[in-house]
Amino acid sequence: AQSVAQPEDQVNVAEGNPLTVKCTYSVSGNPYLFWYVQYPNRGLQFLLKYITGDNLVKGSYGFEAEFNKSQTSFHLKKPSALVSDSALYFCAVRVPLLSGSARQLTFGSGTQLTVLP
Amino acid sequence: DTGVSQDPRHKITKRGQNVTFRCDPISEHNRLYWYRQTLGQGPEFLTYFQNEAQLEKSRLLSDRFSAERPKGSFSTLEIQRTEQGDSAMYLCASVGQITGELFFGEGSRLTVL
Repeated sequence: AQSVAQPEDQVNVAEGNPLTVKCTYSVSGNPYLFWYVQYPNRGLQFLLKYITGDNLVKGSYGFEAEFNKSQTSFHLKKPSALVSDSALYFCAVRVPLLSGSARQLTFGSGTQLTVLP
Repeated sequence: DTGVSQDPRHKITKRGQNVTFRCDPISEHNRLYWYRQTLGQGPEFLTYFQNEAQLEKSRLLSDRFSAERPKGSFSTLEIQRTEQGDSAMYLCASVGQITGELFFGEGSRLTVL
């Protein structure tokens, strides 16, 4: 079974400071990893993904994430936080479809990011 | 706007009533997912379609829930005899062919009184 853990329910950071939102995963086989952001009463918006290749992935709005296979982590980062980055962030994992197992994306429980002015 | 539309956005109903949600995915996407999200939780998988075939169903999908995608385009999710525990946001997503990323609609929020 595949699973995702986001150990922090809440992350607070001052505007202009770097931010990190943590994610660890458990999956059999090579993972496909995703980050999504959700604003209040809205659906999820895709930020970035890791499929293969370079461990540092760059995505939308200046976000990036680093895949670390040995630590089974995929932490989301941004060098300089903005107040408008305040939202709920979800990490998600699945295995490649050709693996024949779960096709669905499994999400973590989410981390509420608050950027303080 | 991701191109995935859901209707209605909000539904308030009384316990015991039936409700139906509709999802229109991005037209070239043949894969479609339904997820449920409760307050403070991440989305939980409900079911998955490839074209008109329902290929996976979660144990969360009790016999009061049924989903269809009759022509491989739009999909409906029906909940019969609603219970207060069904109150949640129901999210639909369609999948990009190459990259496999999910494009979510804005969701349909259900409140069961």
